[in-house]
Amino acid sequence: AQTVTQSQPEMSVQEAETVTLSCTYDTSESDYYLFWYKQPPSRQMILVIRQEAYKQQNATENRFSVNFQKAAKSFSLKISDSQLGDAAMYFCAYRSGVTTDSWGKLQFGAGTQVVVTP
Amino acid sequence: DSGVTQTPKHLITATGQRVTLRCSPRSGDLSVYWYQQSLDQGLQFLIQYYNGEERAKGNILERFSAQQFPDLHSELNLSSLELGDSALYFCASSVDGYSNQPQHFGDGTRLSIL
Repeated sequence: AQTVTQSQPEMSVQEAETVTLSCTYDTSESDYYLFWYKQPPSRQMILVIRQEAYKQQNATENRFSVNFQKAAKSFSLKISDSQLGDAAMYFCAYRSGVTTDSWGKLQFGAGTQVVVTP
Repeated sequence: DSGVTQTPKHLITATGQRVTLRCSPRSGDLSVYWYQQSLDQGLQFLIQYYNGEERAKGNILERFSAQQFPDLHSELNLSSLELGDSALYFCASSVDGYSNQPQHFGDGTRLSIL
């Protein structure tokens, strides 16, 4: 079974600064997808960014980018030019490729709380 | 707005009772997933349906059941409720269950057991 580990319970960043959230995962599969979801105080789950394991190029979405290190099984999220609206819980999630038993379920890490200070 | 609709937003009930949570997926999405978010267990996958058929099962209790109807909406039934069932229940949907298309989440149903 796959496991996803987020070792930072909380990270604090000043507005306009950069913060990096770490995520490691354990899998024996070669085909999988990785995601970062954001959960603000409203409790919604918002997709931030995704990465396909077969792509070497790191995904980028505006101020959000990832550092995907497949051999190290690491998938960190960098938030640049942090804004007050970035304050939220961030979850790393793993999804297997085509398999008969997991069929697309997301395996989440425990989450990292991002605090943005003015 | 993710396009996934969950009702009700809040539900307060007592131990031993039964409740039904409802989910309407995004237009065009065939796959529906249910997740439970609790303080002690975090975010856990419960069950997945694809085009009316159960496809994957996670840590879903026997007291819980789900189904997906022909119009693709899904219902999660929780019975013999216990205090520990208090949680935020999310429904998510995706086009399918196997491509790179992500899951989009509803706003959740907060279930409180008194």
